[in-house]
Amino acid sequence: DAEITQSPRHKITETGRQVTLACHQTWNHNNMFWYRQDLGHGLRLIHYSYGVHDTNKGEVSDGYSVSRSNTEDLPLTLESAASSQTSVYFCASNDRGFSTEQFFGPGTRLTVL
Amino acid sequence: TQLLEQSPQFLSIQEGENLTVYCNSSSVFSSLQWYRQEPGEGPVLLVTVVTGGEVKKLKRLTFQFGDARKDSSLHITAAQPGDTGLYLCAGARDKLIFGTGTRLQVFP
Repeated sequence: DAEITQSPRHKITETGRQVTLACHQTWNHNNMFWYRQDLGHGLRLIHYSYGVHDTNKGEVSDGYSVSRSNTEDLPLTLESAASSQTSVYFCASNDRGFSTEQFFGPGTRLTVL
Repeated sequence: TQLLEQSPQFLSIQEGENLTVYCNSSSVFSSLQWYRQEPGEGPVLLVTVVTGGEVKKLKRLTFQFGDARKDSSLHITAAQPGDTGLYLCAGARDKLIFGTGTRLQVFP
């Protein structure tokens, strides 16, 4: 069955370190999204991609970067982790833009000490 | 700026009770989605409403899109413990805007 996976599921890191969160989907979807989920804020869009080599900034992109070298993967990199980036991160994908159903991964809980 | 406000934020009820969750905005959306999220998992789509005034039913869940496409509601009839979870509305414009969420706990 097609799926979307994220790794690691839990990560603890220190302030200033570079961290990369992986997202892999086997739906063959063109569109992939990264969100962070914080209490009281719901899900906020970090970056998104409409296809290979395409990347776009979302609402809260400062301190994050993504690259899309193939259809299946959209890794999220925190260049220099900050305590404010402690959150739960979700990757999602779909094949027809924002207005259609997005399929979410199980999330990565990141703690920055 | 939070464009989509959900109320209530928390809801704790007994099995068999009815409840309504509201999703309100001052902005117009082309469509509105409702997701349910369980602990340790990502959100899963329940329904998408597209037309102003549209009503969709999913077993004991009734979803309504406001006439002006600015708001929506989710009504659950005879809630069951299996309905427990975080309910998120999401409005589609140039991107998907998620509401703040309503955490529902249904006790047996």
